[in-house]
Amino acid sequence: GENVEQHPSTLSVQEGDSAVIKCTYSDSASNYFPWYKQELGKRPQLIIDIRSNVGEKKDQRIAVTLNKTAKHFSLHITETQPEDSAVYFCAAEINQAGTALIFGKGTTLSVSS
Amino acid sequence: DTGVSQDPRHKITKRGQNVTFRCDPISEHNRLYWYRQTLGQGPEFLTYFQNEAQLEKSRLLSDRFSAERPKGSFSTLEIQRTEQGDSAMYLCASSLFGSGNTIYFGEGSWLTVV
Repeated sequence: GENVEQHPSTLSVQEGDSAVIKCTYSDSASNYFPWYKQELGKRPQLIIDIRSNVGEKKDQRIAVTLNKTAKHFSLHITETQPEDSAVYFCAAEINQAGTALIFGKGTTLSVSS
Repeated sequence: DTGVSQDPRHKITKRGQNVTFRCDPISEHNRLYWYRQTLGQGPEFLTYFQNEAQLEKSRLLSDRFSAERPKGSFSTLEIQRTEQGDSAMYLCASSLFGSGNTIYFGEGSWLTVV
């Protein structure tokens, strides 16, 4: 089955710096890669996703890149703000094939002002 | 609120008791998922339904766990003879398969087994 590894487990940055979180996946058939943000005691919320037919996607300060050959994808947050502090999870899925989303273990991002 | 709703939000139970959680997905979503999350970990997949059919179950789902979605709308997750290791947040999620399949989570049901 699919296995998703996520690094680093914790990340501390200064406000205004960039943050990068990386994930690798094992199943080359995976073709959907969402990122979720989870604040303490809250539900995971989708912040951005990418499908295997594109290599990069941006949404304001957030971008995701995908390298299918290497089976890894990354989340980039620029100009970080204190409200970006949360746990971020990557996930992978063989979309359209009847399999479920498999998550990484998460990265705790702390943005200090 | 038209999001995924879960009930109860918190449950404290004694070891050996049975508990049941309910999930109401986003209206018209045909897929419904159950995940379990413990502190410091990512959501772990338990099982999912497409309409009424339970299509996949994780090896994590022991025979003390059973999930149903009888009419293809709401779902229940029952844990029988609870153990302290069952203490976790049980997350329900739903999606519209065939239309991007973006998965939306509920707020979760916290279970504490004492």
